[in-house]
Amino acid sequence: DTGVSQDPRHKITKRGQNVTFRCDPISEHNRLYWYRQTLGQGPEFLTYFQNEAQLEKSRLLSDRFSAERPKGSFSTLEIQRTEQGDSAMYLCASSGGINEQFFGPGTRLTVL
Amino acid sequence: KNEVEQSPQNLTAQEGEFITINCSYSVGISALHWLQQHPGGGIVSLFMLSSGKKKHGRLIATINIQEKHSSLHITASHPRDSAVYICAVYLPQRGGGADGLTFGKGTHLIIQP
Repeated sequence: DTGVSQDPRHKITKRGQNVTFRCDPISEHNRLYWYRQTLGQGPEFLTYFQNEAQLEKSRLLSDRFSAERPKGSFSTLEIQRTEQGDSAMYLCASSGGINEQFFGPGTRLTVL
Repeated sequence: KNEVEQSPQNLTAQEGEFITINCSYSVGISALHWLQQHPGGGIVSLFMLSSGKKKHGRLIATINIQEKHSSLHITASHPRDSAVYICAVYLPQRGGGADGLTFGKGTHLIIQP
């Protein structure tokens, strides 16, 4: 058990709907990362928070995607007007030190 | 070209065999992770290393910074080792100072009894 939790574990939605995922990092970890993994591929970096500040966003993060970490603890990732291409595993990781990362179990999104 | 290349992409071996998975990267890095991902998606960090060699149980990871290459070895492989093994590195900047990982595509390992 890594201590990073994600909710929900699975989400099936229809194209055009909005979805929101939650990540609870290991407590006191100040860094939080979101990654996306499509079938047969390695994960890809989406965005990164240090405390409540979103310090970097990948070009993969279109304007339909928004992430927040309002109190520097849990984070949410929202996808608006979902498309079939958004179907993927969304992974969260947290870190309290340089270079280490602890991963959550992921949220598997299926857009019909 | 992917900045992190793994080989092989798929590997099937018999129980007890010595397994080697390779990872090459294109630029200087500060650290490299070996990760394990089982069906269902959860990722577990096996090793983080920036030089030399680390060992944990039947798993050994080595890195050669000059050659930009790392290997993951599994001794006395067992069916429960069947998983996807992913190499991930911290690359110099995407811009802005973040330190998200860049991942290889993974090696799908199957150990048959």
